[in-house]
Parts: sequence; structure tokens; C-alpha cells
Amino acid sequence: NAGVTQTPKFQVLKTGQSMTLQCAQDMNHNSMYWYRQDPGMGLRLIYYSASEGTTDKGEVPNGYNVSRLNKREFSLRLESAAPSQTSVYFCASSPGQANTGELFFGEGSRLTVL
Amino acid sequence: GQQVMQIPQYQHVQEGEDFTTYCNSSTTLSNIQWYKQRPGGHPVFLIQLVKSGEVKKQKRLTFQFGEAKKNSSLHITATQTTDVGTYFCAVGRAGNNRKLIWGLGTSLAVNP
Repeated sequence: NAGVTQTPKFQVLKTGQSMTLQCAQDMNHNSMYWYRQDPGMGLRLIYYSASEGTTDKGEVPNGYNVSRLNKREFSLRLESAAPSQTSVYFCASSPGQANTGELFFGEGSRLTVL
Repeated sequence: GQQVMQIPQYQHVQEGEDFTTYCNSSTTLSNIQWYKQRPGGHPVFLIQLVKSGEVKKQKRLTFQFGEAKKNSSLHITATQTTDVGTYFCAVGRAGNNRKLIWGLGTSLAVNP
């Protein structure tokens, strides 16, 4: 099993450009998450999806949109990238709700916005 | 909102020394999870604690959940260079909350 797969692994954007980070899991998990990780800030939740067809805002949703395309896939879109969105983005999934069991993380997508 | 304090922020030890990181909350927790992230890597689940006073061991790692369910600790006995990384706690709040609240992590460096 591949687990949680994120693409791309690295991306450089110019301010104002748009892009979509893709995430897929093959573990038949119900819940999926997008986090960003910045130095000294730990992990901050951007959006999550408790089940197919539902999405909810996390701590830092501004500037992002998400789509739970199906049970496997959860994408994160930056419509107009800003330098403040330079970060490492992690997708994660869990069988049930986040606070009831293990989160499985992808390897991360390192985004730089110039 | 709820805050999770993780201390210390950094720890430098000689190989063979013990290491402990603490996670403290101002409110009662439903559960706590611990993750390890190697430099340049992604967080990897270590364990989940749910019961008051719970103690779990994984080889050289000992995890404790406080009696009041407001704090937890991770203790590593006789550290090795493979223990290098950042250890995060992530807590679930008592009551209805689907989200985990993450600590800022403790970065562990081990001198061989």
C-alpha cells in the first residue's frame, strides 16, 4: 500500500499564481486533512473532511480552498498565492475522526512563493 | 481557545542519556497522541493515550497520561542517535471536537 500520496513534492510559484496540491489515500479512510507546517509554529490545520462530500475549515483556512473529490482524494487549492503561504503542506488521513485515532501523513509538499 | 504547551522546546543530550518531553493543557483532554518527525520527514504516529493515569511502553519509550487528563509525558531511556527528531503531542478536547490541537514540538538532538 502506498498510504497517503501527495503531489507535487516541491513547487515554486510567483505571487498571484494559482496551484492545486493533490492528495490521495488508499486505506479507505473516512477523514482527510490538510496541514501547513512553518518553523516554530508546529502543525496548523487548514481544512479537513470528515467524510466524502463534506469539508470544514480548520485554524488557518484563509487563502485556500479544498475539494473532497471522492473518498480517496482531497485537494488543496491556492487561488492567488502569497509569500505568506510559503510552507510545507502535509495531507493526512484517519479511519474516523481525528481525535479518535492515528493520523497517517503524506511526505509533504514544499511550496515557495516568491 | 485551548492551548497546548509542550516543553522543553529543544533538548540536547549525549547518547545514552534519558530524555523527557511534557505536554500540558489548560482543559481536560479526551485523548492525547504522540508523533515523531525526523528532520525533513513527516509526522509518524507513536501512540495514543485515552485513560486517566494510563502508562504505555514501547521499548525505550514510556508514555504517561496524567490522572486529571490535562498533561502527558514521553520519556526515552538511554537515547540513541536514531531518536533524533521532533516529538509532537496532539490532543483531543473532551466533548465534541473532531480536531486535534497540536503542540509546537520538542526537538531532540543526540550527540554520539
